[in-house]
Amino acid sequence: DAKTTQPPSMDCAEGRAANLPCNHSTISGNEYVYWYRQIHSQGPQYIIHGLKNNETNEMASLIITEDRKSSTLILPHATLRDTAVYYCIVRVAGGANSKLTFGKGITLSVRP
Amino acid sequence: DAMVIQNPRYQVTQFGKPVTLSCSQTLNHNVMYWYQQKSSQAPKLLFHYYDKDFNNEADTPDNFQSRRPNTSFCFLDIRSPGLGDAAMYLCATSRSGPGTEAFFGQGTRLTVV
Repeated sequence: DAKTTQPPSMDCAEGRAANLPCNHSTISGNEYVYWYRQIHSQGPQYIIHGLKNNETNEMASLIITEDRKSSTLILPHATLRDTAVYYCIVRVAGGANSKLTFGKGITLSVRP
Repeated sequence: DAMVIQNPRYQVTQFGKPVTLSCSQTLNHNVMYWYQQKSSQAPKLLFHYYDKDFNNEADTPDNFQSRRPNTSFCFLDIRSPGLGDAAMYLCATSRSGPGTEAFFGQGTRLTVV
């Protein structure tokens, strides 16, 4: 699986948008970009995923560059409960090798 | 409603005494994963089942084994736990099709004494 690179940490003010970057320069054509987050002492929670088009759901938006070598997760109005470790993962589509391999992630701290 | 259930949430075992962690799912997903997560580290994949096919990660110690008796249940067996095996163990499930998400349980925190 292609690897991802994320800054170790960032912070943002409550109520503002949080933009979390991810580099995946070696991504293959059949690999999706997934975002998960993990709040302390809980299991990872799925946020969103995409292949090449931008995606939006009730939690976040995912912006993937045209060359697919990087992406940005956007939390439009961050709250204190969004403080967590966010993992950007690339995962091959389908098949026995379709597994989630976690990198180090980025720790987002939302300040009041 | 919990869809991936791990029991127990906390497990204490003695050094060298075999221990089994369990995971069940109500999603009828054909893929199940086991991860180990140590303090301040990312989850590390130990192995996964694709249907009944077992896929071990190359660096998973032999001390860790798994069983999947049916679609709904999967077990992680640690044959001789050492102090270094103390960690959170996470179970996850997914369907095998393209673009599907994986769902995680809340984990079992294992303490070795």
